[in-house]
Amino acid sequence: QKEVEQDPGPLSVPEGAIVSLNCTYSNSAFQYFMWYRQYSRKGPELLMYTYSSGNKEDGRFTAQVDKSSKYISLFIRDSQPSDSATYLCAMGQSGNTPLVFGKGTRLSVIA
Amino acid sequence: SQTIHQWPATLVQPVGSPLSLECTVEGTSNPNLYWYRQAAGRGLQLLFYSVGIGQISSEVPQNLSASRPQDRQFILSSKKLLLSDSGFYLCAWKGAKDQPQHFGDGTRLSIL
Repeated sequence: QKEVEQDPGPLSVPEGAIVSLNCTYSNSAFQYFMWYRQYSRKGPELLMYTYSSGNKEDGRFTAQVDKSSKYISLFIRDSQPSDSATYLCAMGQSGNTPLVFGKGTRLSVIA
Repeated sequence: SQTIHQWPATLVQPVGSPLSLECTVEGTSNPNLYWYRQAAGRGLQLLFYSVGIGQISSEVPQNLSASRPQDRQFILSSKKLLLSDSGFYLCAWKGAKDQPQHFGDGTRLSIL
């Protein structure tokens, strides 16, 4: 079983739709969780960072962490064509251990 | 505020030539530094990381090496490039533990 599983998509939705992106993980030592957005030919950009179970909201984006189920989600409300990108989940353990990344989900929002 | 610089943005090199990619971070001290390669459909592959000057951990045996000559400088090198070294190379940094990584804009390397 891979440490982090993320559906690669592609996922195509109409403008204004609610988007749900998900990752599952197997390592219970993960303590903090991130979502990155990557546009074509650019580096990943940090979108959301959470350290505990529960929800964190930032504008149209909500990150959800369920440590008991080892499952994290990113919700995008009122999706826009500018949200079209690849979204990567990432997880970290305490200390200097490198982050573990999902392979990314490619999202297209169609106007 | 902290910024990360990575150059060049694109590079075309012949097989067998040497390589040097440089990454520098501003606005922080003693960061953890990382080199990744990203290939289509394979996600981010961690190549090297460093927790301090002169300290390099290699994740994948390959044709590449890394060095950290200064606190905020991280260099990716090769003596002889292979066709399989083509890809998108990303540098990243992290400050205090349990904090997220931040990425540069990457170098797209094409080997001919």
